[in-house]
Amino acid sequence: DAMVIQNPRYQVTQFGKPVTLSCSQTLNHNVMYWYQQKSSQAPKLLFHYYDKDFNNEADTPDNFQSRRPNTSFCFLDIRSPGLGDAAMYLCATSRDRDRGLEQYFGPGTRLTVT
Amino acid sequence: TQLLEQSPQFLSIQEGENLTVYCNSSSVFSSLQWYRQEPGEGPVLLVTVVTGGEVKKLKRLTFQFGDARKDSSLHITAAQPGDTGLYLCAGATPGNKLVFGAGTILRVKS
Repeated sequence: DAMVIQNPRYQVTQFGKPVTLSCSQTLNHNVMYWYQQKSSQAPKLLFHYYDKDFNNEADTPDNFQSRRPNTSFCFLDIRSPGLGDAAMYLCATSRDRDRGLEQYFGPGTRLTVT
Repeated sequence: TQLLEQSPQFLSIQEGENLTVYCNSSSVFSSLQWYRQEPGEGPVLLVTVVTGGEVKKLKRLTFQFGDARKDSSLHITAAQPGDTGLYLCAGATPGNKLVFGAGTILRVKS
């Protein structure tokens, strides 16, 4: 089945130690999104890629970076994780950027910072 | 900035009861989506509503989009323990970026 896959599902990192989260999709969608979700709160958009075009949200800290080497893969890099970055990180895809198109979410990666 | 206010924040009910979750905004959205999320998993899309006044039904779930496309509601009839989860409404903004409501945590007790 076509889907959005996130690895790993659980990641533990140390304070200040760089960490990379991975997302892949078999849907061949043009758009890939990264959201941060803290406990029982709404997901918050960090940035998205439209094809190779990177679009950062204004309030996303510089500590968060992203790479999309090809259509299928997208990575979230946290350069120096702080305790406040502990959260669920969700990857989502959309066929295009037309409003109302469905977004398909992966299962998420839960990040713990020690 | 387009914001969505979702209420109630928490809901704990007995199996068989009915409930309604509301999602309101001062802004017009071209479409609105409802998601359900279980602990440790990503949100799963339930429905998309695009036309003012639209009503969609999904088994025991009824979704309504306000005539002015500023509000929406989710009504669950005869709730079951399997309905337990976090319900999120989300409006699509330019670039198809989703603005989420704060979510409603629903717990259905058997």
